[in-house]
Amino acid sequence: AQRVTQPEKLLSVFKGAPVELKCNYSYSGSPELFWYVQYSRQRLQLLLRHISRESIKGFTADLNKGETSFHLKKPFAQEEDSAMYYCALSGRLLTGNQFYFGTGTSLTVIP
Amino acid sequence: NAGVTQTPKFQVLKTGQSMTLQCAQDMNHEYMSWYRQDPGMGLRLIHYSVGAGITDQGEVPNGYNVSRSTTEDFPLRLLSAAPSQTSVYFCASRTTANYGYTFGSGTRLTVV
Repeated sequence: AQRVTQPEKLLSVFKGAPVELKCNYSYSGSPELFWYVQYSRQRLQLLLRHISRESIKGFTADLNKGETSFHLKKPFAQEEDSAMYYCALSGRLLTGNQFYFGTGTSLTVIP
Repeated sequence: NAGVTQTPKFQVLKTGQSMTLQCAQDMNHEYMSWYRQDPGMGLRLIHYSVGAGITDQGEVPNGYNVSRSTTEDFPLRLLSAAPSQTSVYFCASRTTANYGYTFGSGTRLTVV
């Protein structure tokens, strides 16, 4: 099955510390990977797409096909980064080219 | 553009009642999907559509129906509500170019 694994349900870091949210995927074709962020009781917002190789709000993510990972990183965490983060997988081998989401990681940045 | 609009924001139903969650987008997106969000389970795909007149089932379709008569609208119908359908429901849309889904603000549904 094509799936996404986020091994950490909860992650706490101190303000100014580096943060890494892990995402591993299982997919037999060329994956399209995304990170979404959800601030408290709000809608999900697209944070990053692997194909665009951009940096948003200081976050970056690199697709590692060898390790089948797409970890989200930020060198210096800020309090406003506290949120729920979801990794999502899409691809032409998935029925209807749909998105499949991981179970999410709740990040808390401690002041 | 309003983006993706969902109504209502909150709803309480009694077991066995039916209702329709509304979703509309004004971005002319071809793809639309419904997800439910439950603690510890992330987002699970209920139904999706790749264009007007075309719908298909996702991971958890039982108890839900959808239709897509126009590009803009993608309503989700609960046929006979059950407590297990208590959840937050998100509608999302995107283009075929797949720059990522745009999500609505969600409907928080409680079935008692």
